[in-house]
Amino acid sequence: NAGVTQTPKFRILKIGQSMTLQCTQDMNHNYMYWYRQDPGMGLKLIYYSVGAGITDKGEVPNGYNVSRSTTEDFPLRLELAAPSQTSVYFCASSYGHLNEKLFFGSGTQLSVL
Amino acid sequence: EDQVTQSPEALRLQEGESSSLNCSYTVSGLRGLFWYRQDPGKGPEFLFTLYSAGEEKEKERLKATLTKKESFLHITAPKPEDSATYLCAVQPPDGKLTFGQGTILTVHP
Repeated sequence: NAGVTQTPKFRILKIGQSMTLQCTQDMNHNYMYWYRQDPGMGLKLIYYSVGAGITDKGEVPNGYNVSRSTTEDFPLRLELAAPSQTSVYFCASSYGHLNEKLFFGSGTQLSVL
Repeated sequence: EDQVTQSPEALRLQEGESSSLNCSYTVSGLRGLFWYRQDPGKGPEFLFTLYSAGEEKEKERLKATLTKKESFLHITAPKPEDSATYLCAVQPPDGKLTFGQGTILTVHP
């Protein structure tokens, strides 16, 4: 079972460049999430989606955009990359929202130089 | 604002040396407290959910407990393969998780 798949695994961007982090899940989960993880800090929620066509902001949405055109895919778009966006990004999914465990992808390590 | 603080930041144990990890939290209306394990270069993997004070859950050498202010992850007779970062997260009524910074556990053979 593939679960949650993220691509790419590593990426280096120059300041001002844009890119899309891809995330797909094959568990037919309604809920999908994007988190970032910085050293010594807890995972921070960027955006989440409760189903196709519905997205909402998390704790740290500035500088990012998302879309959810299908149940399976939840890409994260970085516009005008900044050094502060250097982080490890995790996509996750869950069947429900409350009291439901999250299934995480293996992460994308992004450096903005 | 919901807060989660994990201690210690790092813990080194000898194989077989039991210990506990702490997760202290403040949240308005706890719906659930989650424990995850994260191996280097991988995403977190679910371990337990605790819902109310007094609840306990076990899995192999791990046991999680919950009070109204904190949760403990007890590790009994750990093995080197238990080495990982352990993350705690609380879920308030709106469902959005707040994660702690994690405890890095290293078990030496």
